Amino acid sequence: QVQLQESGPGLVKPSQTLSLTCTVSGGSISSGDYYWSWIRQPPGKGLEWIGYIYYSGSTYYNPSLKSQVTISVDTSKNQFSLKLISVTAADTAVYFCARATLNAARFDYWGQGTLVTVSS
Amino acid sequence: DIQMTQSPSTLSASVGDRVTITCRASQSVSSWLAWYQQKPGKAPNLLIYDVSSLKSGVPSRFSGSGSGTEFTLTISSLQPDDFATYYCQQYYTYPWTFGQGTKVEIK
Repeated sequence: QVQLQESGPGLVKPSQTLSLTCTVSGGSISSGDYYWSWIRQPPGKGLEWIGYIYYSGSTYYNPSLKSQVTISVDTSKNQFSLKLISVTAADTAVYFCARATLNAARFDYWGQGTLVTVSS
Repeated sequence: DIQMTQSPSTLSASVGDRVTITCRASQSVSSWLAWYQQKPGKAPNLLIYDVSSLKSGVPSRFSGSGSGTEFTLTISSLQPDDFATYYCQQYYTYPWTFGQGTKVEIK
């Protein structure tokens, strides 16, 4: 059973960088069959896909966030990470990591989510 | 971006009711559509993919239909565990986008 777990600071100051890591267990990121994604959900609102990384390091970012986002992968640790620069209060959200199948990108496994608050 | 619009935003229903949620896409997404259920404080859970394929373990009272730009999620007989928020998601083209959600409440 694949499990994903987000980790990182729960509070980030405005203009600083949000950094989160997703650790995958029960399966290998390097299997090549999946995209590894970040999705966020502001409090009381809907879901926004941030982007994905493939085990090879290739990425795709939502154009709405492209200037702020970097997603990286560490296959040796079976982890992938999110960096969001120059954050504002609008970036306050629950951040989820999730797995999407390669041939049809529905999200079949999700982490539990971690709330990141942007505040001074 | 493809905009996904769900209706209604909130739905009040009773246990045993047949419930239908609609998802409309701003352009065709072919059959690349999924439905998720989310309960408060939890991650979304995939219910249906490719419009009508039920994820393993999901009760058969859930079903999906549609094509192109209009899709529906039907719960044939609402159970207490089904009170939650439901989201559709297109994966036809980048960026992958979600509907705004439909909250199913107890009547």
